[in-house]
Amino acid sequence: EIVLTQSPAFQSVTPKETVTITCRASQSIRSSLHWYQQKPNQSPKLLIKYASQSFSGVPSRFSGSGSGTDFILTINSLEAEDAATYYCHQSSSLPWTFGQGTKVEIK
Amino acid sequence: EVQLVESGGGLVQRGGSLRLSCVASGFTFSNYWMHWVRQAPGKGLVWVSRLNGEGASTSYADTVKGRFTISRDNAKNTLFLEMNSLRVEDTAVYYCASGLGPPFEYWGQGTLVTVSS
Repeated sequence: EIVLTQSPAFQSVTPKETVTITCRASQSIRSSLHWYQQKPNQSPKLLIKYASQSFSGVPSRFSGSGSGTDFILTINSLEAEDAATYYCHQSSSLPWTFGQGTKVEIK
Repeated sequence: EVQLVESGGGLVQRGGSLRLSCVASGFTFSNYWMHWVRQAPGKGLVWVSRLNGEGASTSYADTVKGRFTISRDNAKNTLFLEMNSLRVEDTAVYYCASGLGPPFEYWGQGTLVTVSS
């Protein structure tokens, strides 16, 4: 099973700052890495697919990069509505797995 | 507009059974892979199972293999998850999710399954 390790686990950020979240895979997953946002008491929403492709309707301040084992989600100019937990997910091999999540709090 | 609406969750005793349903609308259901993902209270996301558009190819997480069965009725745009021999550790919100392939493009609102000891 491929293990995804996210860092940091928690981040407290001021609006308009840039946030970077890292996801490291236990083995190469090429670009089969996706990012989701989950706000409190809501279901997750897809942000980025295949490491760097923005999903339809996602604000341009969200971007992704990386390949192989190291991936980054970047949120530019953070807005208050971005307070959420962010998860990475790999679809390279079954069982599909998620990172443990990164909670972003707005100061 | 894509909509996925789950139902069927509830309180069940350890060893019992439940059948979850997910009704889809707003897309051509039979073209899409469908999945179940669960989230224990206060915990992260865990993939449970997937089924291809034709209903012929299934996969399961090891923790549910042999106990859960995923199926679909394309005529009714509905996905199912039959859960047997339920354990306390199966307690979670169960989400259905859809995608043409990976990843999970759309998610339902979830249905809570609580297994009591």
